[in-house]
Amino acid sequence: DVKVTQSSRYLVKRTGEKVFLECVQDMDHENMFWYRQDPGLGLRLIYFSYDVKMKEKGDIPEGYSVSREKKERFSLILESASTNQTSMYLCASSGAQAIRAFFGQGTRLTVV
Amino acid sequence: LAKTTQPISMDSYEGQEVNITCSHNNIATNDYITWYQQFPSQGPRFIIQGYKTKVTNEVASLFIPADRKSSTLSLPRVSLSDTAVYYCLVGDAPGSARQLTFGSGTQLTVLP
Repeated sequence: DVKVTQSSRYLVKRTGEKVFLECVQDMDHENMFWYRQDPGLGLRLIYFSYDVKMKEKGDIPEGYSVSREKKERFSLILESASTNQTSMYLCASSGAQAIRAFFGQGTRLTVV
Repeated sequence: LAKTTQPISMDSYEGQEVNITCSHNNIATNDYITWYQQFPSQGPRFIIQGYKTKVTNEVASLFIPADRKSSTLSLPRVSLSDTAVYYCLVGDAPGSARQLTFGSGTQLTVLP
């Protein structure tokens, strides 16, 4: 079974903290993605990566950075967490020519 | 990117066939149409993808008219477990990040 695993299902952090969200896939996929999902706004793309050490900004990259040092792992970093970054964060991966993406279960982050 | 328009919500009864239509008037020649399903507190799951005419798999059918300005996801004989949000996506090249731009989706509620 294919798997995209996010390190935490629930996370509570304080304003100003540096937050790391980790995502690991076991399918040798080239592409990896980070989204956030908020009620009424659907899924919005934050960053994506199409290769190790490569990254591209999505629609809402402000306040976030990413790291992809190994093919299977894609990290989302909140440099200084703010309350407006409270959200559900979803990681996904897909092959270079695959027709579908696989999503993780999501991390519900609360910044207090 | 071609913008997609879907109904915000739909209700159906168990055992009925459900058709969800998506409008994408500005679809480009290279664009594919993909549908995902999302249950609460889970990541989206791929349902089906097509380019033109009709595609069928074990879960659903996808109908795409000749002008490709719309598409219809057909779910045969829905059950309560099909209650979910359904997303229509339009984008180029399988595996491309452009293919993974989500709109607001359609909340399907299946009633007993």
